[in-house]
Amino acid sequence: AQSVTQLGSHVSVSEGALVLLRCNYSSSVPPYLFWYVQYPNQGLQLLLKYTSAATLVKGINGFEAEFKKSETSFHLTKPSAHMSDAAEYFCAVTPVGDDKIIFGKGTRLHILP
Amino acid sequence: SQTIHQWPATLVQPVGSPLSLECTVEGTSNPNLYWYRQAAGRGLQLLFYSVGIGQISSEVPQNLSASRPQDRQFILSSKKLLLSDSGFYLCAWSLDSFSEQFFGPGTRLTVL
Repeated sequence: AQSVTQLGSHVSVSEGALVLLRCNYSSSVPPYLFWYVQYPNQGLQLLLKYTSAATLVKGINGFEAEFKKSETSFHLTKPSAHMSDAAEYFCAVTPVGDDKIIFGKGTRLHILP
Repeated sequence: SQTIHQWPATLVQPVGSPLSLECTVEGTSNPNLYWYRQAAGRGLQLLFYSVGIGQISSEVPQNLSASRPQDRQFILSSKKLLLSDSGFYLCAWSLDSFSEQFFGPGTRLTVL
């Protein structure tokens, strides 16, 4: 069965530092990949998605993610963290031919002043 | 533009009482619809999804059920709530299986 693994349920970075949130998927065929962000007591919002057009995907709020087939990874990065980036981030995958998205367990990002 | 509505925003119910949460989508036709639950520290759990009217797929066996009486309406129900049903319930829609999902604002359910 397909799965998504997010390393680290909590990640803390200082304001202005690099943000790196890790995501690995299990699939023999490159799937569709997504990153979502959830602010407290709200629904999820799409940050970016990979659909095979380009391996480096740029999203909203300065985030980007790079698809690496050899590593089956889709890590999320942002060069300089801002206090407003504090939220929970979910990596998700839609296996080719499936009707639903599989979400990772989420990583809560804390920004230190 | 498309919008998704969920209500109520918060709900406190006693154990054993019934439940009905409603989700409606505007501005699109024949969307895929999804119900998720977030319990504290347990991530996002897919409960049900639907690719058309009357077509419901259940992901987790439990005392919840879902129905899609109209194209853009998705209802989550229970005849008797359990304490373990407490959580944050999210409805979402997508154009198809390969597109991003758009989430509603959620319903916070507390079962006492």
